[in-house]
Amino acid sequence: EAGVAQSPRYKIIEKRQSVAFWCNPISGHATLYWYQQILGQGPKLLIQFQNNGVVDDSQLPKDRFSAERLKGVDSTLKIQPAKLEDSAVYLCASSIGQGAYEQYFGPGTRLTVT
Amino acid sequence: QQPVQSPQAVILREGEDAVINCSSSKALYSVHWYRQKHGEAPVFLMILLKGGEQKGHEKISASFNEKKQQSSLYLTASQLSYSGTYFCGTEDNYGQNFVFGPGTRLSVLP
Repeated sequence: EAGVAQSPRYKIIEKRQSVAFWCNPISGHATLYWYQQILGQGPKLLIQFQNNGVVDDSQLPKDRFSAERLKGVDSTLKIQPAKLEDSAVYLCASSIGQGAYEQYFGPGTRLTVT
Repeated sequence: QQPVQSPQAVILREGEDAVINCSSSKALYSVHWYRQKHGEAPVFLMILLKGGEQKGHEKISASFNEKKQQSSLYLTASQLSYSGTYFCGTEDNYGQNFVFGPGTRLSVLP
C-alpha cells in the first residue's frame, strides 16, 4: 500500500513570494490533515478535511494561507505572501476516518523563507 | 488548548524504563501517541479512548485516566531504537479539536 505522498520535499523562497504544497493521501482515506511543524515544537494543525469539506481550520492564518481538497482526494496548501516565520516543515497526514483513527504522515516539505 | 507533557527530556541507558506523561485541562475523547525521529515524520504508536483503557504493544504500553484527563506512556527495557521525540495528541470531541503536545525528547544510550 502506497503511503502519503508530498511534494516538493524542499523549497526555498524569499519573503513576500508565494508557494504551494501538494499532498496525496492513502487511497480510501477520508480525512486529511495539514500541519506546520517549527523546529523543536510539536506539529500544529492548520486544517482538517473530511472528504472535501473542512472540519477544522481554526488555526489557519486565513489572510495568507489557503487549502483545498476539491475532489476529496489530493490537497494543496498555499501561502501567499510568505513571511520569515513561515519557515517550517509542512506535514500532511491522512486517516481512514474522523475521530480516534491512526494518522499516517507523509515525509513533509521543508520550507525556508529568506 | 495544547496538552502538557512531562518530562521535557529524558536520558536513559539501554534496558532502563521510562514514563512520559500527558495531561489536559479539558475533557478528552481520545489520546494519541506518536514517535518522531530526527528528520522524519511522526509514526503512530497507539490510541486510547475515554474509559481508562490500557493498551500495549511489545514493550511500549499506555494508560488513560479519564477522571484526571491524563495519559502515560510506559517504555519498558528501552532499546536504542526508542530514541526520538514522543508526542501525545488529544481530541476533546469526536474527531475534532485535535492538538499535539510539545513533545518529550527521549535519548537511549548504550
